[in-house]
Amino acid sequence: SYVLTQPPSVSVAPGQTARITCGGNNIGSKSVHWYQQKPGQAPVLVVYDDSDRPSGIPERFSGSNSGNTATLTISRVEAGDEADYYCQVWDSSSDHNYVFGTGTKVTVL
Amino acid sequence: QVQLQESGPGLVKPSQTLSLTCTVSGGSISSGSYYWSWIRQPAGKGLEWIGRIYTSGSTNYNPSLKSRVTISVDTSKNQFSLKLSSVTAADTAVYYCARGPVITKEFDYWGQGTLVTVSS
Repeated sequence: SYVLTQPPSVSVAPGQTARITCGGNNIGSKSVHWYQQKPGQAPVLVVYDDSDRPSGIPERFSGSNSGNTATLTISRVEAGDEADYYCQVWDSSSDHNYVFGTGTKVTVL
Repeated sequence: QVQLQESGPGLVKPSQTLSLTCTVSGGSISSGSYYWSWIRQPAGKGLEWIGRIYTSGSTNYNPSLKSRVTISVDTSKNQFSLKLSSVTAADTAVYYCARGPVITKEFDYWGQGTLVTVSS
């Protein structure tokens, strides 16, 4: 089955830039989606199709995807960005399986 | 604004069947543009997709759970449901229902989640 690997944690100071990676075999050939999950809450879609933002998501959230790595970038980080972040793809090779990454805890220092 | 709401027992005994329902409001489950999925998350762990259903009743399941999962849809009630049989403590998790566009395959709307504990 397809595996997506994320760093367990990323720390960033307010106002700086956080970059969260999502590694997978030839992930650049797939569409990657990103979710933000705060404690006790459901995940919220923040980026879809590699780099598109749903309505209401700040422009500070952006995404890219190439080769074996997709990246979610959070610019001008705020305290409210502290959360778990998950990448997700649809793996057509494994019985229509939706695959989530292992998750990254973003801590705002 | 589409809203999804999970409902069902919060406690299930080992070896029994977990049953949950997701009620959709603000949009029709009969829309041909979306799949309707169940996703779960054990405490302190990541997200796991369980399966999905289309308005026609066509289903796809995570291969790791396929032998125990049944997802069904009731378009008259704008609901879809999950049954997971032969549960063990490993099935204890927060269960989410979610909507996913057919074309782009993300999950754009989620329910708030419901905790199901498997314990005697």
